[in-house]
Amino acid sequence: DQQVKQNSPSLSVQEGRISILNCDYTNSMFDYFLWYKKYPAEGPTFLISISSIKDKNEDGRFTVFLNKSAKHLSLHIVPSQPGDSAVYFCAASDGNTDKLIFGTGTRLQVFP
Amino acid sequence: DTEVTQTPKHLVMGMTNKKSLKCEQHMGHRAMYWYKQKAKKPPELMFVYSYEKLSINESVPSRFSPECPNSSLLNLHLHALQPEDSALYLCASSQVGEVEVGAFFGQGTRLTVV
Repeated sequence: DQQVKQNSPSLSVQEGRISILNCDYTNSMFDYFLWYKKYPAEGPTFLISISSIKDKNEDGRFTVFLNKSAKHLSLHIVPSQPGDSAVYFCAASDGNTDKLIFGTGTRLQVFP
Repeated sequence: DTEVTQTPKHLVMGMTNKKSLKCEQHMGHRAMYWYKQKAKKPPELMFVYSYEKLSINESVPSRFSPECPNSSLLNLHLHALQPEDSALYLCASSQVGEVEVGAFFGQGTRLTVV
């Protein structure tokens, strides 16, 4: 039972354009959502998070949008840069524990 | 210092061996985690320690034995593993109850069981 899903295994975007990565979840008890970036042979790196009481959080080139009614969140990266090429995981927590449940990941490739 | 350091980076062990994975952080974090990641899969939580006490065990087989000797160190003792246990083992740390600020992950130990 995959509680956090990323239905697009890969995404290819031209440098300078917007990258949109999507994530769906099933558990309405989740109250924090996070995005992580992972390069090969490295551990995941935290990017940005959003509380369930918000619908948008922005940090530089990264913006996360949350649609609670649809149980859907997205990460927007603009402008996309070649160094953004990595696997992106969304993760969710119910806030009562320190447990993170990860999605299946989306491999982003930004080409010149 | 915002690093989580894991040793060794690579480990090959036989099914009858006993080995340990080590993890260290000096950020003052009091929550520490072990995750397991198989190829092309998301990280899966194995154990959580809060204030050096085991708070979550995700029904992990007893051949994996975690230990948190102090607030900076986390070990994972391995014994009688199976080839299907081959994976990337990730350690992470965070402040207790502050998951929204993100957990810091180490680079992982790539484990191969032969």
